Amino acid sequence: QLVLTQSPSASASLGASVKLTCTLSSGHSSYAVAWHQQQPEKGPRYLMKVNSDGSYSKGDGIPDRFSGSSSGAERYLTISSLQSEDEADYYCQTWGTGNCVFGGGTKLTVL
Amino acid sequence: EVQLVESGGGLVQPGGSLRLSCVASGFTFITYAMHWVRQAPGKGLEFVSSISGNGGTTYYTNSVKGRFTISRDNSKNTLYLQMGSLRAEDMAVYYCARGEYGSGNYYDTWGQGTLVTVSS
Repeated sequence: QLVLTQSPSASASLGASVKLTCTLSSGHSSYAVAWHQQQPEKGPRYLMKVNSDGSYSKGDGIPDRFSGSSSGAERYLTISSLQSEDEADYYCQTWGTGNCVFGGGTKLTVL
Repeated sequence: EVQLVESGGGLVQPGGSLRLSCVASGFTFITYAMHWVRQAPGKGLEFVSSISGNGGTTYYTNSVKGRFTISRDNSKNTLYLQMGSLRAEDMAVYYCARGEYGSGNYYDTWGQGTLVTVSS
């Protein structure tokens, strides 16, 4: 069964960097994932798609502070030079057989 | 500018029906798969349904099969979700999302959402 696992919460200081992790379930390590940001009281926004080889493609207007990478079954979203507006929920997403799968989301707090 | 605008949400009694719409602009609608995703209050994102560009292939999450119907009118650049036999657990903000060009499986554009409240 295809499952995406994310830590429920993360925190980092203003101006620092943070790396969020999305882990694909066993047997699905070749899958790409998309990362989406949801700021408080707003709809989701597409950030990027991260492939199994570590390449990634970002959505229009996404700052250079956001980058992606991969290692095995893990897909990462790294945010550098954290700003207050980066405080949000971050979801990873992929597609199984006839079904979209979301991770549970990581709530990022900027200290 | 690529844009998705949902409408049609509101208050409905349990067992009732509602039709959501999503008007697309800024891209060639027929060439993209489209999806509905919902978010219950305080919860995460949940896939509801998807439809291919020509409307020939549809998918539903198990909890809405037989109650919801996804469709599209490519002449109007509009996506629909007909919801019936609504339950309290269907209460959520419903978002339409565009699938990426090609696979259609990764969402690269989101609407602002429309709230569906199921209550007597």
